[in-house]
Formats: sequence, structure tokens, C-alpha cells
Amino acid sequence: NAGVTQTPKFRVLKTGQSMTLLCAQDMNHEYMYWYRQDPGMGLRLIHYSVGEGTTAKGEVPDGYNVSRLKKQNFLLGLESAAPSQTSVYFCASSYPFLYTGELFFGEGSRLTVL
Amino acid sequence: RKEVEQDPGPFNVPEGATVAFNCTYSNSASQSFFWYRQDCRKEPKLLMSVYSSGNEDGRFTAQLNRASQYISLLIRDSKLSDSATYLCVVNRPRTGNQFYFGTGTSLTVIP
Repeated sequence: NAGVTQTPKFRVLKTGQSMTLLCAQDMNHEYMYWYRQDPGMGLRLIHYSVGEGTTAKGEVPDGYNVSRLKKQNFLLGLESAAPSQTSVYFCASSYPFLYTGELFFGEGSRLTVL
Repeated sequence: RKEVEQDPGPFNVPEGATVAFNCTYSNSASQSFFWYRQDCRKEPKLLMSVYSSGNEDGRFTAQLNRASQYISLLIRDSKLSDSATYLCVVNRPRTGNQFYFGTGTSLTVIP
């Protein structure tokens, strides 16, 4: 049972390069999220999706784009990477029901922008 | 003001000690509350949900005070394996089921 899988796990980019992080979940969850985690800042929501074909901005969406063409996949794109986007990125998914709290996280993707 | 605030610590305690973590949240519309655990360089994982009546899971006890917008976690008889960062999390289902994380409290249990 894979749960939430993120690829790639590690990546080094040069400023201005583009890349896509892929998140795949096999739990049939409606909701998916992309977070970034930086020292002293906690996890901050970048974008999220409440279902196939829908996306919404979170707390720190600038410089990122997302797509949810299939229910099981949520892609995070960086069109022109900047050093400020050096971070650990976590994808998560959850059921849509009220009062249920478990977010299932992927193992994280460590991105360094030089 | 941050959505969720926690004392970052670090807390360094001997094995067998009791340690308490506190957390406050700013938005009274928050409806669900949780503690997550995050080991170094790993993903966060749910430790326990927090209910208004308080709840216990083995050595862990969580409390919620909605009037004060305050959440706590008590760990009794600390084990070396409890060393981790503990994240306080609140949820507002009506805002796209968004979860808001504190910055975490670091715990190291010393032999």
C-alpha cells in the first residue's frame, strides 16, 4: 500500500530553470495539498485541490502552479525557480469529511535552487 | 498574527519525565485540532486528535480549551523514542478543509 508518493525525492536546480513535482495517492482521497517547510516557518500551504479538475491558492502560492487532471495526481510546477524556493516540499491528501483530521503525507521532496 | 503558535523549545528532558507542550490558535472558527509528530527529515504523522472533553492515548494526553483557544499535549514517562518535533494543527473544514500548522516544538529525551 503506497499511500502518498512524491517524485523526485531530491533535485538541484539553477535559478530560472523549471521543474514539476509529482504527487500520487492511491487512497481515493478527494483533497490534496502542497506544502513547503522551511526552518522556523512550519508548514505553509502553497496550493490545494478539493477534487479532480479543481485547484485553489493557499498561503504562499506565488511562483508556483498546480494541476489536478486526475484524481490521484497533483502536480506542482515551478516555472522559473528562484533561490527563495529552496525548501522541502510535502504533498498530502485527506478525505473531505468534516471533523476528520488525518492528513497523509508523502516523504517529501528536497529542492535546492542555486 | 500567526494562525497557530507554539513554543519552539527545545525541550530536553530525562527518560521517565513528564513534559507538556502548549499551543494557541487565533481563529475561533477552527473546528478540529490535532497533534502531529515529525521525526528529523521525515514527513509529519498524526499522533492524535484533540477533543473538547480531552482524550488520552497511552502515555499521551491532549486537552482543548475552546474559550481560551488553547491546546495542550502531555507526555508521561518519556521514552527515548519520543524525541521528535511535535506539531500543533488546526483545521477549518469550511475553508477547503485547510489545515494550519504551528512551527513545532522540539523534544529530546535524554538517557
